[in-house]
Amino acid sequence: GAVVSQHPSWVICKSGTSVKIECRSLDFQATTMFWYRQFPKQSLMLMATSNEGSKATYEQGVEKDKFLINHASLTLSTLTVTSAHPEDSSFYICSARAPSGRMETQYFGPGTRLLVL
Amino acid sequence: TQLLEQSPQFLSIQEGENLTVYCNSSSVFSSLQWYRQEPGEGPVLLVTVVTGGEVKKLKRLTFQFGDARKDSSLHITAAQTGDTGLYLCAGAGPSNTGKLIFGQGTTLQVKP
Repeated sequence: GAVVSQHPSWVICKSGTSVKIECRSLDFQATTMFWYRQFPKQSLMLMATSNEGSKATYEQGVEKDKFLINHASLTLSTLTVTSAHPEDSSFYICSARAPSGRMETQYFGPGTRLLVL
Repeated sequence: TQLLEQSPQFLSIQEGENLTVYCNSSSVFSSLQWYRQEPGEGPVLLVTVVTGGEVKKLKRLTFQFGDARKDSSLHITAAQTGDTGLYLCAGAGPSNTGKLIFGQGTTLQVKP
């Protein structure tokens, strides 16, 4: 089956530093990946759509200069939280669009928990 | 704007009880998915329903897609403690984007 990994699984950083989260599709190529943010006991909030070889498409209200997305290869997308602040603490989840079948089928990574002190 | 209203948001029941989670919208969706998520992990796809009126069963879980493809339900029979988790419905977003529109989620706690 299609597997998506994320690294790191959790990270603690100081306020003002930048944090990079990687999302990899392990056994398939993903031209499109998605980045979500999730607060405790809440649903997933789509932040942006990451397209291989082109600029990411951000959802309304998400600062593109704050959350930098790079999708440099067909198996890797990265999310960099720049100048992180405590309010950026959250659970970040990526997903990759399935290579075949229904367009809306996504495979989700295990998530990255970010804590900004 | 497509929205999915999921209810209830929290549910605490005893093992052996039945429950139903609802997902409603005023918009038509080409498909709807149900996910289960455990704390600290990503969502895991349970089922995709595509056809209006469709009913799918996964062991003790029964999923139904409304005739008009605007609503869906998840029914769990004889809940077990292992069913505890966050249940999410998600509808296919605007065509050709591959986006998913998520409901607010239902946190289910099954007590022994």
